Order: sequence, then C-alpha cells, then structure tokens
Amino acid sequence: QKEVEQNSGPLSVPEGAIASLNCTYSDRGSQSFFWYRQYSGKSPELIMSIYSNGDKEDGRFTAQLNKASQYVSLLIRDSQPSDSATYLCAAWLSGGYNKLIFGAGTRLAVHP
Amino acid sequence: GAVVSQHPSRVICKSGTSVKIECRSLDFQATTMFWYRQFPKQSLMLMATSNEGSKATYEQGVEKDKFLINHASLTLSTLTVTSAHPEDSSFYICSARDSGKQYFGPGTRLTVT
Repeated sequence: QKEVEQNSGPLSVPEGAIASLNCTYSDRGSQSFFWYRQYSGKSPELIMSIYSNGDKEDGRFTAQLNKASQYVSLLIRDSQPSDSATYLCAAWLSGGYNKLIFGAGTRLAVHP
Repeated sequence: GAVVSQHPSRVICKSGTSVKIECRSLDFQATTMFWYRQFPKQSLMLMATSNEGSKATYEQGVEKDKFLINHASLTLSTLTVTSAHPEDSSFYICSARDSGKQYFGPGTRLTVT
C-alpha cells in the first residue's frame, strides 16, 4: 500500500510565526512531491513542487525534501490569517500507477 | 500555472436523473485528466483517470457504469453521473497535468434530492 501520511492537526500558530507542516511517504520510487492548499469549500491549489533533496524557496514558502528519510515538509514564514487552510501533501506515483496520492491534509489555523 | 475550468460549479438534480460535468484545460493540452470526489471533511478520493481517445481507468470500488467518463479531445473531459442518488451528493473535482504538475479545476458541487 503506497501512502502519504500527514498529521491532521489542527496546527495553530500565531500571526507572524513560522508554520511547519510535515509528511512522510512510503514509496521509495516517488520522485515528485507537491504541496496544495485547500480552503474550505474550494478545490486544491498548487503552491509548491519539489523534486530534489534539500530546500526550495518561493516567497514565504519553503519546501524541504529528504528522500533517504522519505520526508517532505513545508515551512510558511510570517504566517497570516489568510494562510488558514488545509494543506495537502502529495507524491506522484510512476511505474505504471501514474497518479498523485494525497495525504489526508493538515489543517492550519493562524490566529491574530 | 495552468488553468483548468469546470462547469457547472453547482448543480441540483432529482434522484434518478443524470448529470454531466465538463472539465476543460484552458491554456494547455491534456492527454490525461483525473476525476476526484471529496466528501465533507474528508480527503480527495481519485475516482478515475481519463485518457484522450481511449477508455478511462477507474479506481477500485468506483462503478464505471455509474460514472461515465469521456475524454473526447485534448482539452475536454466529461463525467456523467448516471441515475444519481442522494449518496452521490459530493464535491467533484477534475484535474490535469501540465509540465509535470497537476492543476485542479474549481470543482462541481452536486446535490441530489
């Protein structure tokens, strides 16, 4: 069973703090990883992709990948109330599967 | 990023009728599109992978005769929920890949009365 696991939260952080979201994946063959943000009642929005070990930064977001530990994380700096949403971690399964598998999502609440 | 549209955004239908949902890739061509369903407070569930010019691939447990998928062109895939029942009420979201990244449409909220 190929899985992506996330803590469901809620993760509560004060405005201006760093929010740290984590996920692990089971398929060692996965090479592409994604973070999506989903507001309540809306569809997922792609915010970060990462393919190589290390860090990738885009504005206030930093994605981190450690393939040896099968671990992906997302850091949100200077968190804002508008960042309050569910964050979905996803891994692309190749090798005949050719689909994204999603974690259950972590709910982030940023309070003023 | 790439844009995926869906129509309609909301639909209410009576039990026993059929509903068609359209998914379009607006600024890219998509040989493959994906259909998801999401119940309240649950994660996305992949229903099927739609392949242009060939049959869709359904996930285990998804009734292919109930959820008809047609991918007639490189920019359009449709999902038809046949003989809808109240338990089919859900948020249906399509998705397509462009340059290795997967983008989602805005979703269609189906309510079956």
